[in-house]
Parts: sequence; structure tokens; C-alpha cells
Amino acid sequence: GAGVSQSPSNKVTEKGKDVELRCDPISGHTALYWYRQSLGQGLEFLIYFQGNSAPDKSGLPSDRFSAERTGGSVSTLTIQRTQQEDSAVYLCASSSTTDTQYFGPGTRLTVL
Amino acid sequence: GDSVTQMEGPVTLSEEAFLTINCTYTATGYPSLFWYVQYPGEGLQLLLKATKADDKGSNKGFEATYRKETTSFHLEKGSVQVSDSAVYFCALTSGAGSYQLTFGKGTKLSVIP
Repeated sequence: GAGVSQSPSNKVTEKGKDVELRCDPISGHTALYWYRQSLGQGLEFLIYFQGNSAPDKSGLPSDRFSAERTGGSVSTLTIQRTQQEDSAVYLCASSSTTDTQYFGPGTRLTVL
Repeated sequence: GDSVTQMEGPVTLSEEAFLTINCTYTATGYPSLFWYVQYPGEGLQLLLKATKADDKGSNKGFEATYRKETTSFHLEKGSVQVSDSAVYFCALTSGAGSYQLTFGKGTKLSVIP
């Protein structure tokens, strides 16, 4: 079956602009995660959704970052007023249990 | 908080050499342990996992044993191939209501013919 998909694969934006990154999880997976992969910080957890429960936002680095998950499926990560330090690869993962997570190919964000 | 420490790379090996990538962890509760692999130009893939002490995860000739006494989960392969060239990440989930992965910084492996 189809894996986790993310769009766009690459995004170049200017400092101060808002961006939206999209994630389509594996069908039937109730849990969805966002991570960020950057040279300086490695792989960092951002946010976690599980079913209809309130999301765990403990990894979001600032209030410029937000995410939503509509209908328990597709998720959008929004970064407002982007800064150069936001440049990274943003990874989405989903799981059917709280154990093994399957990752998408990522969105490479470059902030000029 | 939870943390994962893995050996720094890069690691360069000749084909058919023995591979060990060390990984140690600090976690509350009873963590599950993972190795993920990222091939060039591709996304993260689960390589193997172990969910309790003394479990051995294995896949594609790779093995790792969950050692609670030494808080370690070292990755091993007896004979590496050029196709194993990738970045390897050790990771954990601490459980007890916390399901995000905590990753090590990754070890880049290059296998030369």
C-alpha cells in the first residue's frame, strides 16, 4: 500500500513569509508525528497527534509553528514569519500503534 | 530527559568487513529501542527494533540486542556491502504516554569495494 506522502518535496521561501507543509499518513494510521531534521540539531520531535485527543505540542520551538490534523487524516504544519534558522527537512511519520513509526520522504525548506 | 548517544562518524569500511555502531541511552520508564536507516536521497526507514530487555532485533543481516544493564543497543553486521552505505540513527520511545522518538545524531557509514 501507499506510504506516508509529503508535499511539497522542496520549498524555497523568503524570510518573513508563511509556509504550509502537508502530510498524508498511511491509511488507517491513527497517530501522526512531525519531526525536523537539521544539520545543527539532528532529528527533533515537533508535534504528535493521536486520534481525536489533544495534540502533544511539546516539541514546537516557538509560537510561529502550528499544526492541525483534519478528519483524523491529513496534517498541515504551518510556519509563520519564517526565519533562516527554520531551514531544515521536515519529516512526517505515522503509526497504527504507539510503537513503530513510518516516515515520509520529507519536505526540504529553505528560507532565504 | 531522554537521550541517545551514538558513535560519531563517519565510518568507512571495506566490503565484507564487520560493522559495529555503538548506541547508549538514558530514559525514564521502559523504553522501546530502534535503529532507523537513511539511504542517500531517501527517507528514514525502520531497520530493526526491540521492545524489552534482552530482546534482539534483526533485519537484512543487521542485529542489535537490548541491554538494560549497560543501557545499550549496539548495531552489528557481520559482513557489510556497498549497498549498506547510509546514515544510521539509534532512537527510543520512552513509553508511559510519551510516544515521540528521541534520536541519536546519526552515524554515516560508507562501504568501499
